[in-house]
Formats: sequence, structure tokens, C-alpha cells
Amino acid sequence: EDQVTQSPEALRLQEGESSSLNCSYTVSGLRGLFWYRQDPGKGPEFLFTLYSAGEEKEKERLKATLTKKESFLHITAPKPEDSATYLCAVQALQTGANNLFFGTGTRLTVIP
Amino acid sequence: DAGVTQSPTHLIKTRGQQVTLRCSPKSGHDTVSWYQQALGQGPQFIFQYYEEEERQRGNFPDRFSGHQFPNYSSELNVNALLLGDSALYLCASSPSGINNQPQHFGDGTRLSIL
Repeated sequence: EDQVTQSPEALRLQEGESSSLNCSYTVSGLRGLFWYRQDPGKGPEFLFTLYSAGEEKEKERLKATLTKKESFLHITAPKPEDSATYLCAVQALQTGANNLFFGTGTRLTVIP
Repeated sequence: DAGVTQSPTHLIKTRGQQVTLRCSPKSGHDTVSWYQQALGQGPQFIFQYYEEEERQRGNFPDRFSGHQFPNYSSELNVNALLLGDSALYLCASSPSGINNQPQHFGDGTRLSIL
């Protein structure tokens, strides 16, 4: 059964204090791993897709990496506007399985 | 370029009632998925529609049903509402025929059951 575990559940950082969010996954063949950002009262906003171990993607202060068992979202010198819940989701290789299977998210707070 | 739009934004119902939620996909997208997000949880897949048919379904009872129209817009219907159906209902769209394209989400409908 597909499983996605995100840690920590919540993280408080000072502005400029870099850190990493973890997403551990179990899936019967990975088609893709997705990172989303979700602000309160809003829908998830797409950040990255990773397809194979060793792959990395970057966008501004965020960098996502992927291994065969987990993905990390590295946040470098965060700013208060980076405060949000970060969701990780996997999509299985199983034929017809187009759905996303989400973790429960990491709630990030960046303090000025 | 309009993204995914959902209506209404908020809705209050009582137990036993029925509700219909609506979604218009992002321009150029023909596949629509629905998710339920309880407070403090990640979104949970309900079902996906493509070519006006339900293509895939998650672990939700038959009280949850849907429809897709020729213009690719979609509806989610929930019958016999329970208190546990209170959640944020998210619609996501994606283009078919292109592998691994990310799903783009609307801002959801907040459904409260009294």
C-alpha cells in the first residue's frame, strides 16, 4: 500500500535560518514525486516534480532532491513569506493510477 | 490565463442533505480530479474524470458521485451528508496525453455539516 510520511509536522525558523523538510515514501513503482505549497484557505500550489533518484530541482530559495526512499525540500535563507504548509505527494506507476497520494504536510513558520 | 475555479467557496449544510460542488478546469486541461482535505490532513483522492467518465476512484462510498461535462467542467455530488463530510473539497485539473504533468488545484469549497 502506498504510504507518504512527512516530518517534522511543524517547523519554526528564524528568517535566514536554513533547514530541510523530509518526505519518506513507499510506493509500488514511482511515476513521480510532487511538492506543493499550501497557504491557509487556499488550494495547493505546485512547486516541483521529481521522477528518479538523484534528481534535483531548484526554485528561488527552494531545492528538492529525491532518493529511492525519500525526498527532501531544502529551504535556504527563508523569508517570512515562505511560511506555509508544504505537501509531498506520490504518483504510482500502476496502470491507470493517476491519483496523487499525499502526506499530511509540514507546517513551516518563518519568524522575522 | 484562468486557473482552476471552484464554486461555491463556502457552504453550510445539515446532516442528511445533498450537496453539489462545481469545478472549471484550467484552460487546456481535460482531466479533473476531486480530493477531500480534512483539517490538518493532506488531500485524499476521491475520483478522476476524463472524457466524461469516471476513470479512477479512491476509497469513498457511493454517496460520493460526480459528472464531467463536454466542456470538461465537473461536479461533485454528495448525498446523505454526515458530520464527517465536513472538509475542504479540492478540484485539480491536468492535461491528458502528456505524461507526468502536475495537477493544478483550485482553492476549494469549504463544506461544513451541522
